[in-house]
Amino acid sequence: KNQVEQSPQSLIILEGKNCTLQCNYTVSPFSNLRWYKQDTGRGPVSLTIMTFSENTKSNGRYTATLDADTKQSSLHITASQLSDSASYICVVSDRGSTLGRLYFGRGTQLTVWP
Amino acid sequence: EADIYQTPRYLVIGTGKKITLECSQTMGHDKMYWYQQDPGMELHLIHYSYGVNSTEKGDLSSESTVSRIRTEHFPLTLESARPSHTSQYLCASSLSTPTLRGEKLFFGSGTQLSVL
Repeated sequence: KNQVEQSPQSLIILEGKNCTLQCNYTVSPFSNLRWYKQDTGRGPVSLTIMTFSENTKSNGRYTATLDADTKQSSLHITASQLSDSASYICVVSDRGSTLGRLYFGRGTQLTVWP
Repeated sequence: EADIYQTPRYLVIGTGKKITLECSQTMGHDKMYWYQQDPGMELHLIHYSYGVNSTEKGDLSSESTVSRIRTEHFPLTLESARPSHTSQYLCASSLSTPTLRGEKLFFGSGTQLSVL
């Protein structure tokens, strides 16, 4: 059973609009959570990382939040651009050490229309 | 921009052929990984390596094999390809770091394999 669930599965928004992607996890113990962006035909690229003590992290127009109590994270994209069209993948690690196992979500496919 | 390269980008072959997917990184990372990704599905770890001459199988059963003779090179080989092997294969690398932040993976662009 996948321990990282993402919603929605896909999302279409107009250029300039904001959107929020969700990630719920059951991974335990929890060490850190990363959001990756995967453009079509490319490998994923890390956007943000948060440990259990961090509840907000920004990277330009991307803002990630984490609620370690409810085991939920969100990725908010502000003023979307056409280049934001991609799959956004939530990845949770159960340990920060080199032995940490990674749990991948299936991603949210975001399409930004002009 | 990540310095990790995969070749070929696309490969179409017939059943029974032996293939090798190449992966190289120039970042000096000690850890390298192979993931399999199907459309709309999560990445599945098939092999990983913690350093030269160290290789382990991942979570997903795979008929492929890997080798790590040099730090920068981590090729994946399929001795006899089958249609069930059709998928995207992603190579990644990371630098071991003993912190809560864990390790950031750097991915190659992937190889899209189609076995007819």
